[in-house]
Amino acid sequence: DAKTTQPPSMDCAEGRAANLPCNHSTISGNEYVYWYRQIHSQGPQYIIHGLKNNETNEMASLIITEDRKSSTLILPHATLRDTAVYYCIVRSAGGTSYGKLTFGQGTILTVHP
Amino acid sequence: DAGVIQSPRHEVTEMGQEVTLRCKPISGHNSLFWYRQTMMRGLELLIYFNNNVPIDDSGMPEDRFSAKMPNASFSTLKIQPSEPRDSAVYFCASRLQESGNTIYFGEGSWLTVV
Repeated sequence: DAKTTQPPSMDCAEGRAANLPCNHSTISGNEYVYWYRQIHSQGPQYIIHGLKNNETNEMASLIITEDRKSSTLILPHATLRDTAVYYCIVRSAGGTSYGKLTFGQGTILTVHP
Repeated sequence: DAGVIQSPRHEVTEMGQEVTLRCKPISGHNSLFWYRQTMMRGLELLIYFNNNVPIDDSGMPEDRFSAKMPNASFSTLKIQPSEPRDSAVYFCASRLQESGNTIYFGEGSWLTVV
């Protein structure tokens, strides 16, 4: 699986957009980009995923560059409850490792008033 | 819709005792995962099941750890005997296999071995 690189921490003001970057320069053609987050004392929570097109759901937007070597998770209006560790994971959707997720260190996002 | 349910939420036990952690996956899901989280090692996959069958247990640390899934709605992770280094948060997660890597986690079981 492709390795991902994320900044260790970021800050964001409440109500503003939070843009969390992820580099995955070794991503291969059949690998998806997944984002999860973990709020303190809770289990990880699925946010969004994509292959090459930009994706949006009720939680966030995912922007993937045309060469697919990087992506950005966007929380359009961050709230204090969005303070969490955000994990970017690159994973193929098939093969023997199907469904296995490898969590890196992630980005600690702190949303402040 | 109820999420993944784990029990106990918190357990403190003495070294050498047997620990059993329990998990009820989301109804209809056919894959189940056990993860462990520590400050030092982060989140690690221990084992996962598809259709109640263990597919990959390469993450199970040693023979003291065992996991079972007797039916589609129940799984256990057992540690016998427990050691202080087993202290961690243990997460159970499930998914519908066809949904790929969209996995739903429980709230975790916080284990402290003293």
